[in-house]
Amino acid sequence: NAGVTQTPKFRVLKTGQSMTLLCAQDMNHEYMYWYRQDPGMGLRLIHYSVGEGTTAKGEVPDGYNVSRLKKQNFLLGLESAAPSQTSVYFCASSYNPPLYEQYFGPGTRLTVT
Amino acid sequence: QQPVQSPQAVILREGEDAVINCSSSKALYSVHWYRQKHGEAPIFLMILLKGGEQKGHDKISASFNEKKQQSSLYLTASQLSYSGTYFCGTENSNSGYALNFGKGTSLLVTP
Repeated sequence: NAGVTQTPKFRVLKTGQSMTLLCAQDMNHEYMYWYRQDPGMGLRLIHYSVGEGTTAKGEVPDGYNVSRLKKQNFLLGLESAAPSQTSVYFCASSYNPPLYEQYFGPGTRLTVT
Repeated sequence: QQPVQSPQAVILREGEDAVINCSSSKALYSVHWYRQKHGEAPIFLMILLKGGEQKGHDKISASFNEKKQQSSLYLTASQLSYSGTYFCGTENSNSGYALNFGKGTSLLVTP
């Protein structure tokens, strides 16, 4: 049981490049979330999904897109990276929020130059 | 909707106690507490639910005052392993019950 995994762990992009971050969970959770964490800001919600095939915008969705084609996977895409997207990205999943906790992946540290 | 945590930072000697507070401007059903060490993912500590009991884990416990929309995390007889940043999270029913996290409280336990 791997829990929540994220790929890649580190990435450096140049402004304007694109990339996809992959989140996978093996706990059969319906709810999945993408957060970003910046120094002194706590974690902020980018997008979320309440089930396979459904996604919605969170607090800071601009510049990101997501897809949840399979229940266990939640992809976060950056179409044209900007330096403001330099951050640590965490994926999380939950069985039945808010009654149950969120399980976090190890994070992806992204730098955009 | 971001909850407010206090204090921002705490330095303790091993064996001392600490309290971290979390307050919200809106009515709450739950408060979640996480601890994060540098370079790692947040780790779940506990959930407090409206109408539920105070829950503890070893020497870490918490309370939830629903009327005041506040929660407090109590660290008793702190250990070096308690060092890290503590976050409280409150549910956002408009966003799939994602959590609105506070900005965190940095806790350093020294020998």
